[in-house]
Amino acid sequence: NAGVMQNPRHLVRRRGQEARLRCSPMKGHSHVYWYRQLPEEGLKFMVYLQKENIIDESGMPKERFSAEFPKEGPSILRIQQVVRGDSAAYFCASSQDRGPNTEAFFGQGTRLTVV
Amino acid sequence: GENVEQHPSTLSVQEGDSAVIKCTYSDSASNYFPWYKQELGKRPQLIIDIRSNVGEKKDQRIAVTLNKTAKHFSLHITETQPEDSAVYFCAASNPGGFKTIFGAGTRLFVKA
Repeated sequence: NAGVMQNPRHLVRRRGQEARLRCSPMKGHSHVYWYRQLPEEGLKFMVYLQKENIIDESGMPKERFSAEFPKEGPSILRIQQVVRGDSAAYFCASSQDRGPNTEAFFGQGTRLTVV
Repeated sequence: GENVEQHPSTLSVQEGDSAVIKCTYSDSASNYFPWYKQELGKRPQLIIDIRSNVGEKKDQRIAVTLNKTAKHFSLHITETQPEDSAVYFCAASNPGGFKTIFGAGTRLFVKA
């Protein structure tokens, strides 16, 4: 089991460009969570998805950010028209179900730098 | 909204001493409390967790206590070693389990 795979590990974008971050959950996991970690700060919840459904996106900025988890393929976090403040590490986690006490496994993260 | 406060933000101890990190949460419905360790440049990894029906849990040098009435929980590391140096995050999860809220993290330095 390869674990949660995120790519790319590092992404550099100029202001105004689009960033696409990918997350392949662990085998058998159908629940995906995205978190953002600003430098020297904690993990902020962004969005929770199941296959083809957004369950909770209360942590997502209202504009420029979107997420999907299609039936086939990885979950995608998309940031349009990036700004310097979007520079952060974006972590994806997956879990087998959503019951209480369910451990979530984290990917290695994508470090986005906006120049 | 839900909130998790974590203290201290930085903790420096001598090798062999104990380290204690404390967290409080606001959502009384929270029933699952994991702790993650994040080494520099790496992913957060679960080190221990506790459920709301348990007051204390221990795993070798690591222990976690939970006081549901006061809505706080703590991580205790005994006989610290240099490799314990990392950032530690507490978290609280609601019964749905899908919105885990993290504390801001504690940067632990263990001096040899």
